[in-house]
Amino acid sequence: QKEVEQNSGPLSVPEGAIASLNCTYSDRGSQSFFWYRQYSGKSPELIMFIYSNGDKEDGRFTAQLNKASQYVSLLIRDSQPSDSATYLCAVLSGGSYIPTFGRGTSLIVHP
Amino acid sequence: DTEVTQTPKHLVMGMTNKKSLKCEQHMGHRAMYWYKQKAKKPPELMFVYSYEKLSINESVPSRFSPECPNSSLLNLHLHALQPEDSALYLCASSQTGTGFDGYTFGSGTRLTVV
Repeated sequence: QKEVEQNSGPLSVPEGAIASLNCTYSDRGSQSFFWYRQYSGKSPELIMFIYSNGDKEDGRFTAQLNKASQYVSLLIRDSQPSDSATYLCAVLSGGSYIPTFGRGTSLIVHP
Repeated sequence: DTEVTQTPKHLVMGMTNKKSLKCEQHMGHRAMYWYKQKAKKPPELMFVYSYEKLSINESVPSRFSPECPNSSLLNLHLHALQPEDSALYLCASSQTGTGFDGYTFGSGTRLTVV
């Protein structure tokens, strides 16, 4: 059973702070990792993907991948109230073309 | 055009009704998906179409019937649904269908079965 674990939260951070969202996965052969943002009542939106160990930056977002420890993180710098949403981690295992979604972490950025 | 368009946005149907959900994309994506999402849960895969052929059916009850008339269009036909089928139904597409390129989701259809 391929598992993707996320703390459901909510994670509450003040405006301007760094929000750190974590995701662990069970399949050591996993190859691709995705972060989706989902506002309440809306559909998920792909915001980051990462394939290689290390960091990948895109604007205020940084994805961090550590395959040895089997975790992937999403950092949001200078958090804004508009970042308040549920963040879904999705992991593509080796040999599969369908990702496994985590349950998501609810982020609240308060002014 | 970088969107996946779903209609209708909201649907209320009785348990004896027949209705259809529609999904359209004009990005040339080769794979299209139906997902079902309940509140505070992750999306749950229902069907995958790759190059217009059904490639995955995740043991979905026959009251849900997918159809892919062409590479841009995906339908989900609904018949004799149960109240527990009430959920957000998401259509998604991906360029290659390999999983490496992530999904573009439509805005979803909020379905209520009464």
